[in-house]
Amino acid sequence: EAGVAQSPRYKIIEKRQSVAFWCNPISGHATLYWYQQILGQGPKLLIQFQNNGVVDDSQLPKDRFSAERLKGVDSTLKIQPAKLEDSAVYLCASSLAGTATAQAFFGQGTRLTVV
Amino acid sequence: SQQGEEDPQALSIQEGENATMNCSYKTSINNLQWYRQNSGRGLVHLILIRSNEREKHSGRLRVTLDTSKKSSSLLITASRAADTASYFCATATLLNSGYSTLTFGKGTMLLVSP
Repeated sequence: EAGVAQSPRYKIIEKRQSVAFWCNPISGHATLYWYQQILGQGPKLLIQFQNNGVVDDSQLPKDRFSAERLKGVDSTLKIQPAKLEDSAVYLCASSLAGTATAQAFFGQGTRLTVV
Repeated sequence: SQQGEEDPQALSIQEGENATMNCSYKTSINNLQWYRQNSGRGLVHLILIRSNEREKHSGRLRVTLDTSKKSSSLLITASRAADTASYFCATATLLNSGYSTLTFGKGTMLLVSP
């Protein structure tokens, strides 16, 4: 079974530039998560989709971050404009359903460096 | 915000010893999960314990859950150098929408020396 695919693996941009990350979840997984993990910290949930609808985006900085999952499969996370503090690993995860007993499967992440 | 708080922040042991990590959380949960993260394999799910369970085993892993104290512990027995990684607890909590979300703690860094 193929895992969660993310691209790119690494990205270096200058502050105020824009960047986009792509995620393809495991086939059949209705729930998709985007997490931000700053070095030395635990993953912080940015946004959670159930199919193509948003179920939680309370910690997404909406003035600069946006995400979509138009067909309920793959997803894109965008940052525009980037700030230095956005340097982190962006993790995508998926699970069968956002129910009480679902474990999450994670991609390898995209390491973003903003200079 | 991060729900779980792991303790200790870092742990250094010798191969063959047991490692115990603790997690405390603040709100009621549906289940609690433990994940491992190392540079080679990213975040990997280890074990899930439901809110109505008190103890669960999987190979060399033993997880306990005390919902009255809002705490959990992860025990790794007979540790190996390959167990060197960061360990995170994650709590599954119910959203108003009826779906469940997963919130991670700050993690415990475990170093197992040969």
